[in-house]
Amino acid sequence: SYVVTQPPSVSVAPGKTARITCGGNNIGTKSVNWYQQKSGQAPVLLIYYDTDRPSGIPERVSASNSGNTATLTVSRVEAGDEADYYCQVWDSSSDHWVFGGGTKLTVL
Amino acid sequence: EVQLLESGGGSVLPGGSLRLSCEASGITFRNYAMHWVRQAPGKGLEWVSSIGRRGDRIYYADSVKGRFTISRDDSKNTLSLQMSGLRAEDTALYYCAKAEQPVLTAFDLWGQGTTVIVSS
Repeated sequence: SYVVTQPPSVSVAPGKTARITCGGNNIGTKSVNWYQQKSGQAPVLLIYYDTDRPSGIPERVSASNSGNTATLTVSRVEAGDEADYYCQVWDSSSDHWVFGGGTKLTVL
Repeated sequence: EVQLLESGGGSVLPGGSLRLSCEASGITFRNYAMHWVRQAPGKGLEWVSSIGRRGDRIYYADSVKGRFTISRDDSKNTLSLQMSGLRAEDTALYYCAKAEQPVLTAFDLWGQGTTVIVSS
């Protein structure tokens, strides 16, 4: 089945830019969603269809998807961005949803 | 208020059964596909099962196929997950989530989860 790989952790100073990657074979041909999960809370949809933001998600959150890597970018990082981030794709060959293992974003 | 509220979690012996429910409010439940996602303690998200509108297009993760059954009752705005043959590795917080379609579209609303513990 399809596998997506995320780095376990990313650290960034406040005000800087965090980039979280999601790797998979030809993931650029798939639609990638991103979720944020803060400690003790349910996940929240951040990005859908590779680059679209639901209402209420700030513009400093963006994403891209090409080749074998999808990337979530959080600009001007704030303390409140500290959370786990998950990418998600639909694998049509197995009819399965697949989540990445998650990346813990630490704000230094 | 738009929300999904899970219930039915608890402690069960290995091999036992449990039925989870997810009641939707503030949305036209029948218009949406619904999903179950679980999270083992200290671990990441794991997709469990999905059901399309009208109960068609049902999908299961390999880890639960043949043991879990997803269903929906649109008259009661309720999603269910019947779990049998439970194993220790099924111990997790179980979330329900909604989406426009069962495939390709993102999970745009999540409940707060219900906890399942499988232990002797």
